[in-house]
Amino acid sequence: AQSVAQPEDQVNVAEGNPLTVKCTYSVSGNPYLFWYVQYPNRGLQFLLKYITGDNLVKGSYGFEAEFNKSQTSFHLKKPSALVSDSALYFCAVRRGGGADGLTFGKGTHLIIQP
Amino acid sequence: NAGVMQNPRHLVRRRGQEARLRCSPMKGHSHVYWYRQLPEEGLKFMVYLQKENIIDESGMPKERFSAEFPKEGPSILRIQQVVRGDSAAYFCASSPSGQGKTGYTFGSGTRLTVV
Repeated sequence: AQSVAQPEDQVNVAEGNPLTVKCTYSVSGNPYLFWYVQYPNRGLQFLLKYITGDNLVKGSYGFEAEFNKSQTSFHLKKPSALVSDSALYFCAVRRGGGADGLTFGKGTHLIIQP
Repeated sequence: NAGVMQNPRHLVRRRGQEARLRCSPMKGHSHVYWYRQLPEEGLKFMVYLQKENIIDESGMPKERFSAEFPKEGPSILRIQQVVRGDSAAYFCASSPSGQGKTGYTFGSGTRLTVV
């Protein structure tokens, strides 16, 4: 069965510093990988996805993610953090075995300190 | 394009009542997915529907929960005889295809509180 691990419940970064939010996955076949962001009492907003092609994927709000097949990772990155980036971030993988929909990680709280 | 519309945003039900959650997918999207988010947890897949068909309900509890996506109108997630453990945020997503490449658009969710 497919699974997603986000090993950090919380990541603290000073404003202006680079940030990384970690994600590893397990799925049969080629993975379709996604990052979403959730602000308090809001729905999920799409940031970026990896389907195929370049391992470095660029998304919304200056975020990017690097697909690493050998390490089964899809870490989210941003060169310079903003206070407004503070939110809950979810990594997800398309469910395998021909099933559609997503399997999510537990989420990582990103806190950007002024 | 109004996006994925869910209503109500907040729903309070007493134990034993029924809860009906509605989801209108984005225009042009014929695939709908329901997820449940418990406090401090990620989203858990519940059910995947196309118009008039349940494609995959492997994440749905066996009792009290049902979903439909009729030919006309929104998708409905129905919870009968609610219990306190049903309190959660329920999110709907839609996509134009069932293949994943086009991604999934989420609604703002319905927050169900059972008192």
